[in-house]
Amino acid sequence: GAGVSQTPSNKVTEKGKYVELRCDPISGHTALYWYRQSLGQGPEFLIYFQGTGAADDSGLPNDRFFAVRPEGSVSTLKIQRTERGDSAVYLCASSFGQYYGYTFGSGTRLTVV
Amino acid sequence: GQQVMQIPQYQHVQEGEDFTTYCNSSTTLSNIQWYKQRPGGHPVFLIQLVKSGEVKKQKRLTFQFGEAKKNSSLHITATQTTDVGTYFCAGPTTGTASKLTFGTGTRLQVTL
Repeated sequence: GAGVSQTPSNKVTEKGKYVELRCDPISGHTALYWYRQSLGQGPEFLIYFQGTGAADDSGLPNDRFFAVRPEGSVSTLKIQRTERGDSAVYLCASSFGQYYGYTFGSGTRLTVV
Repeated sequence: GQQVMQIPQYQHVQEGEDFTTYCNSSTTLSNIQWYKQRPGGHPVFLIQLVKSGEVKKQKRLTFQFGEAKKNSSLHITATQTTDVGTYFCAGPTTGTASKLTFGTGTRLQVTL
């Protein structure tokens, strides 16, 4: 597509529920990243995919967070047993590789109530 | 761990005035990127600097990478209301090229 597409744009969920956030990167971009941004702060790294594999998942805060990219294109970020502290904007970005600028999607605003 | 700080945190200018934001990393960077995020929007890539002392211009925006590759600046000449937003610098996290550490950001407000 023309840009990075993220769905849903907004998600409100109850504490303890499971959520999935989807990212459709720019066609041809092999690198895909998930970042999380809290109000007034810069994006914080969660996970990086090169192709289908998670090349670096060191930013995932705990084992409730998991992400997949099974065919090397669309990625899904999965959060189990959501907590209020998970509330943030989850940004997906893609690029041609590690040494290129990122194209970010519009983000998913997750609110855990 | 690696820290990337920006100053000022916030600046309010009158349209037509110049603006500069400074970015300082606690570690040497192989490159630095700059992003702009409009209110309610997502970060948009502006530029990447790679060489020590490099200066690049994009219309009214001038980007500079320090000689020691630990600092950078973004200067906007004659600001316009369209420049409103938060400007972030970002550099590769120490020890890896697979992720960026974003700076604390500088929020720019421009009024007529």
